[in-house]
Amino acid sequence: EAGVAQSPRYKIIEKRQSVAFWCNPISGHATLYWYQQILGQGPKLLIQFQNNGVVDDSQLPKDRFSAERLKGVDSTLKIQPAKLEDSAVYLCASSLPGTLIYEQYFGPGTRLTVT
Amino acid sequence: DQQVKQNSPSLSVQEGRISILNCDYTNSMFDYFLWYKKYPAEGPTFLISISSIKDKNEDGRFTVFLNKSAKHLSLHIVPSQPGDSAVYFCAASALGTDKLIFGTGTRLQVFP
Repeated sequence: EAGVAQSPRYKIIEKRQSVAFWCNPISGHATLYWYQQILGQGPKLLIQFQNNGVVDDSQLPKDRFSAERLKGVDSTLKIQPAKLEDSAVYLCASSLPGTLIYEQYFGPGTRLTVT
Repeated sequence: DQQVKQNSPSLSVQEGRISILNCDYTNSMFDYFLWYKKYPAEGPTFLISISSIKDKNEDGRFTVFLNKSAKHLSLHIVPSQPGDSAVYFCAASALGTDKLIFGTGTRLQVFP
């Protein structure tokens, strides 16, 4: 079974530029999560999708971050414009709905550096 | 407001000895606790969990202990192996949600 795929793996941009990350969840996983992990901190949930609907985006800085999940499969997370404090690893995870909470499978992440 | 805390950023243990990783939480609504392991350049992978109705859960070399009155849990790895060297995250969730709140992580190094 293929895991959660993310691209790019690394990205370096200057502040005020825009960036987008892509996630392809495990086939059949209706629930998709985006996490932000700042160096020295644990992952923090940004947004959770159930199919293509948003379940929780309470921690998403909506003035600069946006996410979509078209057709309930792939998802993109965008930052526009980026700030220095957005430097982090962005993790995507997926799960089957109604499964036990530990059954969130994480991708390898995208490491973003904003200079 | 850090609801899940791992106060030891790093731990170094000799191979074959016991590793004890600690985690404290503040939210009394948390009822499920998990430990994740993370290698460099990889996403976290689930290791072991415990429900608040238990005080111990064991899986092979890994045991998690929960002390609800102290709002404290710990992960014991016995015996420790070099392949256990990784960052370990404690996470918690509240009843009825699938939202994970992670701690800051503890980097474990197991040396020969």
